[in-house]
Amino acid sequence: GIQVEQSPPDLILQEGANSTLRCNFSDSVNNLQWFHQNPWGQLINLFYIPSGTKQNGRLSATTVATERYSLLYISSSQTTDSGVYFCAVGGRGSTLGRLYFGRGTQLTVWP
Amino acid sequence: DTAVSQTPKYLVTQMGNDKSIKCEQNLGHDTMYWYKQDSKKFLKIMFSYNNKELIINETVPNRFSPKSPDKAHLNLHINSLELGDSAVYFCASSQQSGRVFNEQFFGPGTRLTVL
Repeated sequence: GIQVEQSPPDLILQEGANSTLRCNFSDSVNNLQWFHQNPWGQLINLFYIPSGTKQNGRLSATTVATERYSLLYISSSQTTDSGVYFCAVGGRGSTLGRLYFGRGTQLTVWP
Repeated sequence: DTAVSQTPKYLVTQMGNDKSIKCEQNLGHDTMYWYKQDSKKFLKIMFSYNNKELIINETVPNRFSPKSPDKAHLNLHINSLELGDSAVYFCASSQQSGRVFNEQFFGPGTRLTVL
């Protein structure tokens, strides 16, 4: 399968701070998604971003497929941003259709 | 108007029992998946069905048997439950376009506890 590494594993911020989460992957992919798992366990889709840059409010993401990494930017963080952020990549060929998940970044935002 | 729904949300049962989890999606997608999230929050794919045909079957004990009666439904039956089966099981769906499986959307999860 495809190896997905996320960093940092843990991040603690004060409300209002900015942060960057990184996702490295070991093979070429045709799908990359960022998810937020909130404290109630729901997996919320943030971005579907196999390549390029997207923005949604205070969040933005960039994927550089040729260099096999993606970045998630969170600006002006709020306590409701707390939770685990997962990067997941979809493979090609024999790994087609599967999403391979990283181990996540646990984000805690303090008021 | 829930896109991907699962029942039950919580399942507590004894070792050795047989249980089922049901999943339904109203997104009109043709592909559905089961993922398992372990106690360390690691998510791993188990199965996938495309147009009711099994297309992904990862290394999962054969006590786990998925069934897709139609494109909108995917169920997971587990026989002879073991302590190690305790986890959160997520259903997901996506639409296939040629050689690409597009964005996957996840259900709320079913927390299974085996005592």
